[in-house]
Amino acid sequence: RKEVEQDPGPFNVPEGATVAFNCTYSNSASQSFFWYRQDCRKEPKLLMSVYSSGNEDGRFTAQLNRASQYISLLIRDSKLSDSATYLCVVNEGGKLIFGQGTELSVKP
Amino acid sequence: EAGVAQSPRYKIIEKRQSVAFWCNPISGHATLYWYQQILGQGPKLLIQFQNNGVVDDSQLPKDRFSAERLKGVDSTLKIQPAKLEDSAVYLCASSLWQGAYEQYFGPGTRLTVT
Repeated sequence: RKEVEQDPGPFNVPEGATVAFNCTYSNSASQSFFWYRQDCRKEPKLLMSVYSSGNEDGRFTAQLNRASQYISLLIRDSKLSDSATYLCVVNEGGKLIFGQGTELSVKP
Repeated sequence: EAGVAQSPRYKIIEKRQSVAFWCNPISGHATLYWYQQILGQGPKLLIQFQNNGVVDDSQLPKDRFSAERLKGVDSTLKIQPAKLEDSAVYLCASSLWQGAYEQYFGPGTRLTVT
């Protein structure tokens, strides 16, 4: 079983749509969780952290369910500029473990 | 603030040849990481340095890969000899301290082994 597993994608959605990405992790001792964004042929960049209480940043909402070892990212009112690969990331003892990424393509 | 610098940006070599990548982290960042990202996969940590000491190299194929961070600043990653399966993007990242969750990545070196 992979340490961090994501929806394979790609997700093709129209502008304005709401899209949700799911991620599961295998190590129940994992300490912290993040979403990184990676544009095509670019480096990954931190999008947001994920807290048990849930957190929101504009159109982006991240949720964590420790009991189910499940992380989600919701994007509302998708923009063309949201097209990218979204990487689910888990911190295990100071080491970041990346999922394989889910590609999102937002179409006009 | 200058970001993480890497060179070269692209490299094409034949199998069994050697190659080296260079990374200059963000000034003041104590921790430096090298990742391998194969097409369609997430980055995989190869080695992590804290200043000039190795913290984690458990996933570094030590028979062919080596890395060093002399003086705790710049770092080089070397592959000798290269195999076809080494074709990937090699990303360098740095963070203020070990365990800091925000890592800043360089643009990467895209390696093609033919």
